[in-house]
Amino acid sequence: EPEVTQTPSHQVTQMGQEVILRCVPISNHLYFYWYRQILGQKVEFLVSFYNNEISEKSEIFDDQFSVERPDGSNFTLKIRSTKLEDSAMYFCASSEGLGSFTDTQYFGPGTRLTVL
Amino acid sequence: DAKTTQPNSMESNEEEPVHLPCNHSTISGTDYIHWYRQLPSQGPEYVIHGLTSNVNNRMASLAIAEDRKSSTLILHRATLRDAAVYYCPPRSGAGSYQLTFGKGTKLSVIP
Repeated sequence: EPEVTQTPSHQVTQMGQEVILRCVPISNHLYFYWYRQILGQKVEFLVSFYNNEISEKSEIFDDQFSVERPDGSNFTLKIRSTKLEDSAMYFCASSEGLGSFTDTQYFGPGTRLTVL
Repeated sequence: DAKTTQPNSMESNEEEPVHLPCNHSTISGTDYIHWYRQLPSQGPEYVIHGLTSNVNNRMASLAIAEDRKSSTLILHRATLRDAAVYYCPPRSGAGSYQLTFGKGTKLSVIP
């Protein structure tokens, strides 16, 4: 069964450093998403991406964050200058379509980001 | 903003059926109702979805109220592996992509 994959599974970084989290969405999917979950809290939406553009972003997704689809398979989340409060699990998701039977989002296993 | 209401926690004995309710009174007429679950230290896992009719798949059944203001996820025989937090996240609003996860229902399965 196709699945979303994410690398690395765990990333440790120093405050102020840049990190790139990588995702490989399901191959025929066209919509891509990033969510995050701070330990013990709810899963929060960050951004959605379609047709090489951001479709929607939350208040969390400020200028420190960016997303990119550098090639036909990868989808990345970059945090330019990490802060302690960026420590969280980051989940990538993808869906085939939107607003129909095909809009189910499938999530990856997550990357645990620890900022020291 | 769309909102759902779920019990904070539920308990079930192993091998017994479990009915997990969700109220989604603000859901739009065209939005599908999705259920996900999250096992400890894992990403949300898709369980099932439907629009108006009841749905079955290998994991669970979904019963949708006629007015679509509520739904019930049914696990026919709970196993220890079903212990997780269950969510019925609505979309944030009309035309929105984002799923709004609440606290969900934490299901404990007793051996």
